[in-house]
Amino acid sequence: SSDLTQDPAVSVALGQTVRITCQGDSFRRYYASWYQQKPGQAPVLVIYGENKRPSGIPDRFSGSNSGSTASLSISGAQAEDEADYYCHSRDSSGYQNVFGGGTKLTVL
Amino acid sequence: ELQLVQSGAEVKEPGESLKISCKASGYSFTSYWIGWVRQMPGKGLELMGIIYPDDSRTTYSPSFSGQVTVSADRATNTAYLQWNSLKASDTALYYCARHITVTEHWYFDLWGRGTLVTVFS
Repeated sequence: SSDLTQDPAVSVALGQTVRITCQGDSFRRYYASWYQQKPGQAPVLVIYGENKRPSGIPDRFSGSNSGSTASLSISGAQAEDEADYYCHSRDSSGYQNVFGGGTKLTVL
Repeated sequence: ELQLVQSGAEVKEPGESLKISCKASGYSFTSYWIGWVRQMPGKGLELMGIIYPDDSRTTYSPSFSGQVTVSADRATNTAYLQWNSLKASDTALYYCARHITVTEHWYFDLWGRGTLVTVFS
């Protein structure tokens, strides 16, 4: 089981905006980091800290926290955004790392 | 070049031991934590443990404590994940990743390509 809960699957029409959410008490204190994983590839960090993007990540990716929910938004989803997305944070004790179960994003 | 290079795929029998590696380059190996992440077939990411190579401090996730050993060699900039007795359920893809803890908001910014471990008799 995981301290962080994600919807297993989400779909979005090409060019539309999608929000992928992650529920966990730790988000009342800590920001989530988000990872994109395409089939057969290693995860890639897309959002960390207070809505920060690593170099090379398109600005259509953004992150936010509200209460016990962290969100990853993709504005104007592209076909290449189809992937599994994982949230991550410290757990509610603050001593351990924990990943969410992952959300499979389908771009229609 | 900033990268983590992992050792190649392994096929082992139950009960065998195994040590896989993750060699860092392009940054100060002793200044950052390294984590090991398991991904079982068709499943999500699970953090197994982390190590600070400068002094080999380690923290294990409760599910993996006592099941694996994480270590590091400062001389070769290499982190290791070790099993003493493999089980079929250890069959998975294992990633190493650089763990950033500069602020209270942790994350993993650099990932290896993964090492596939297959255990079957």
